[in-house]
Amino acid sequence: DGGITQSPKYLFRKEGQNVTLSCEQNLNHDAMYWYRQDPGQGLRLIYYSQIVNDFQKGDIAEGYSVSREKKESFPLTVTSAQKNPTAFYLCASSIDSGYGNQETQYFGPGTRLLVL
Amino acid sequence: AQKITQTQPGMFVQEKEAVTLDCTYDTSDPSYGLFWYKQPSSGEMIFLIYQGSYDQQNATEGRYSLNFQKARKSANLVISASQLGDSAMYFCAMNGGATNKLIFGTGTLLAVQP
Repeated sequence: DGGITQSPKYLFRKEGQNVTLSCEQNLNHDAMYWYRQDPGQGLRLIYYSQIVNDFQKGDIAEGYSVSREKKESFPLTVTSAQKNPTAFYLCASSIDSGYGNQETQYFGPGTRLLVL
Repeated sequence: AQKITQTQPGMFVQEKEAVTLDCTYDTSDPSYGLFWYKQPSSGEMIFLIYQGSYDQQNATEGRYSLNFQKARKSANLVISASQLGDSAMYFCAMNGGATNKLIFGTGTLLAVQP
């Protein structure tokens, strides 16, 4: 059963702590993305990766880091430098055919991060 | 810069009736894609429908259709025969240029009443 999994569903972070959100896909998609959603808002792009071992900053990358060591996995680390990390985090993936505007992104179920 | 505008924060519709959710966009790219996603209370973003900027006909997927008016830069979602399960947030999004980066609107909360 192909899809995107994110874990954990809920994550609590203490002040000054780094936490890592997991995103795995078995769709054989080339590109993966991380978005942040705040209450009552649309999604904003944090980081994206179009190929293994390469990634680019999105619109709100400060305080976050990512890695792409495997095609299937794109973990997001929320560092202590992110001063307002409480949000809903969504991971997505898509094929990368070279025709960027035709590629649909499919999303995982999301992780809710709360700061204690 | 690309921008998506959804001016309806919330809407009500009676079950079995049709409803139109508004979306306008702004871009200088000649080639772009327009998307609609549904977000139920569980949080997952569910892809509904896609329209390419060069597509001549409006996209349809089951009960969903996209009313694409390129000159007016609008991409409204039409849901026919609303069902109670259609109650959710609906987001319009677009991409363009060399990457597949999506820009989202702020969403419309749809409530279907029995």
